[in-house]
Amino acid sequence: AQSVTQPDIHITVSEGASLELRCNYSYGATPYLFWYVQSPGQGLQLLLKYFSGDTLVQGIKGFEAEFKRSQSSFNLRKPSVHWSDAAEYFCAVGANTGRRALTFGSGTRLQVQP
Amino acid sequence: DAGITQSPRHKVTETGTPVTLRCHQTENHRYMYWYRQDPGHGLRLIHYSYGVKDTDKGEVSDGYSVSRSKTEDFLLTLESATSSQTSVYFCAIASNTGELFFGEGSRLTVL
Repeated sequence: AQSVTQPDIHITVSEGASLELRCNYSYGATPYLFWYVQSPGQGLQLLLKYFSGDTLVQGIKGFEAEFKRSQSSFNLRKPSVHWSDAAEYFCAVGANTGRRALTFGSGTRLQVQP
Repeated sequence: DAGITQSPRHKVTETGTPVTLRCHQTENHRYMYWYRQDPGHGLRLIHYSYGVKDTDKGEVSDGYSVSRSKTEDFLLTLESATSSQTSVYFCAIASNTGELFFGEGSRLTVL
């Protein structure tokens, strides 16, 4: 069965500091990997996705993520955090076959200090 | 904007009453999903549909049923709501390239 682990429930960073959110997955085949962001009271917005090819993927809002097959990881990074990045971030794994549903991690809540 | 509308957006009901949540899409996508979101659990799949009248269970389907009589509408029904079904429910559609797009969510409180 596929699963996603986000080991950090809550992270606080200072505005302007760099950010790395961790994601580890378990999946039997080559995974499709995603990061979503959710602001309070809102739906989920897709930040970026990895299907194949270059293991470093760029997303919206200055985010990037790196797929490391040997570590089963897909960590999200941003070089300089803005106050508007405060939100909850979800990593997800799936495939473009079968039921196509995604399995989500439990999320990491990001707080940004001025 | 993936053209997904959920209704109602907020609902308060009492234990034992039936509840139906509606998801409407405007872009003719084949795959549709219902997830629930609870603190500490992320999003968990309740049911999904891969076409009109074609539905299947997800990981947390007990107490829920779904129907899809038209491509654009996917209904989630709680036949007899319980307090454990207090949650935020999200509908999603799958794009042709594999990502999911979500509606704004429906917050359900069961008293």
